[in-house]
Amino acid sequence: AQSVTQLDSQVPVFEEAPVELRCNYSSSVSVYLFWYVQYPNQGLQLLLKYLSGSTLVKGINGFEAEFNKSQTSFHLRKPSVHISDTAEYFCAVKKGGGTSYGKLTFGQGTILTVHP
Amino acid sequence: DTGVSQNPRHKITKRGQNVTFRCDPISEHNRLYWYRQTLGQGPEFLTYFQNEAQLEKSRLLSDRFSAERPKGSFSTLEIQRTEQGDSAMYLCASTPGTGQNEQFFGPGTRLTVL
Repeated sequence: AQSVTQLDSQVPVFEEAPVELRCNYSSSVSVYLFWYVQYPNQGLQLLLKYLSGSTLVKGINGFEAEFNKSQTSFHLRKPSVHISDTAEYFCAVKKGGGTSYGKLTFGQGTILTVHP
Repeated sequence: DTGVSQNPRHKITKRGQNVTFRCDPISEHNRLYWYRQTLGQGPEFLTYFQNEAQLEKSRLLSDRFSAERPKGSFSTLEIQRTEQGDSAMYLCASTPGTGQNEQFFGPGTRLTVL
């Protein structure tokens, strides 16, 4: 089975500062990795995903993440945050291959709060 | 593409009552998922449909829970004899095919059991 650990439950940061949200996963098989964002009272929106290839992936709203297989990590970064980035962020994994049915396993979430 | 829709958005019920939620996936998405999200936690997988077939159920889905997708389009999730522990956000997601496609999430139904 897969598991995901988001190392920080809350991350406060000032506007225009850089931010990193940490995610580590555990799996005995290959996985696909995702970051989702959830605004209050809304569903989840995909920020970016790693399937294969380049370990640095770029997503929407200026976010990027780097897949590190040796450290089983997939940390999310943004060089300069905006007030509108305030939200909860979820890291998720999906087992690779054709028999997983594609269900996602999520971390506990990190609440990013951007202060003016 | 109108997105995944869920109804109702909010439901307040008394303990012991039955509730039913509906999910309309993006048209032509043949895979549909239900997740449950409790306060302060990430979503947890409940069940999965490919077309009308329910192919996987989590152990979280007790006998009081039943899900259907009768014609391979919309899906319903019913909870019988609700308990206070059922209070959560119930999320539906759909995806068009196999493997790598992202899951598109609906806005969720927030259930409060009094």
